[in-house]
Amino acid sequence: GAGVSQSPSNKVTEKGKDVELRCDPISGHTALYWYRQSLGQGLEFLIYFQGNSAPDKSGLPSDRFSAERTGGSVSTLTIQRTQQEDSAVYLCASSLTGLTEAFFGQGTRLTVV
Amino acid sequence: GIQVEQSPPDLILQEGANSTLRCNFSDSVNNLQWFHQNPWGQLINLFYIPSGTKQNGRLSATTVATERYSLLYISSSQTTDSGVYFCAVIQRAQKLVFGQGTRLTINP
Repeated sequence: GAGVSQSPSNKVTEKGKDVELRCDPISGHTALYWYRQSLGQGLEFLIYFQGNSAPDKSGLPSDRFSAERTGGSVSTLTIQRTQQEDSAVYLCASSLTGLTEAFFGQGTRLTVV
Repeated sequence: GIQVEQSPPDLILQEGANSTLRCNFSDSVNNLQWFHQNPWGQLINLFYIPSGTKQNGRLSATTVATERYSLLYISSSQTTDSGVYFCAVIQRAQKLVFGQGTRLTINP
């Protein structure tokens, strides 16, 4: 079956522009997570959705970052006025209930120039 | 919040050697997973193992929940086993909390 799908795979944007990153979770999965990974570093938590609600958005680094999830399915992570330090791989994962096995997408590599 | 520590941070081995990676966590958990991040950055699921022992080919994992640790064993390692191995836990349907990873390098 289909896994977690993220788009685009790569995004190059100019400093100051807004970007939207998309995550399609596995069908029926209620939990959805966003992480980012800078080069050579570990995984940094951004936000967790259960259905359309975000009980934990503690990892969003600034008010330039926002995320939404609609219909309990697709999620969009938006970064406004991008900065060079936003350059990273953004990873999305989903799990059936939030207590079960989580699966990751292939990530979106964001480069801010 | 819960803390996850992995050891060793780096491990360099010759092809054919065996290795043991450790994950310690600071509180009880509902879920524990091991992932392998390949050179292309993809996170591959290895084991979903909140407790007990599982085996998959040359890899096996054991989680002792009462003592708050998990071990990942790799036997007869191959160069394709190289990469970063992450342990991640979930407590009470919250976020996945990751350790910092073990970078494994297998030399031919």
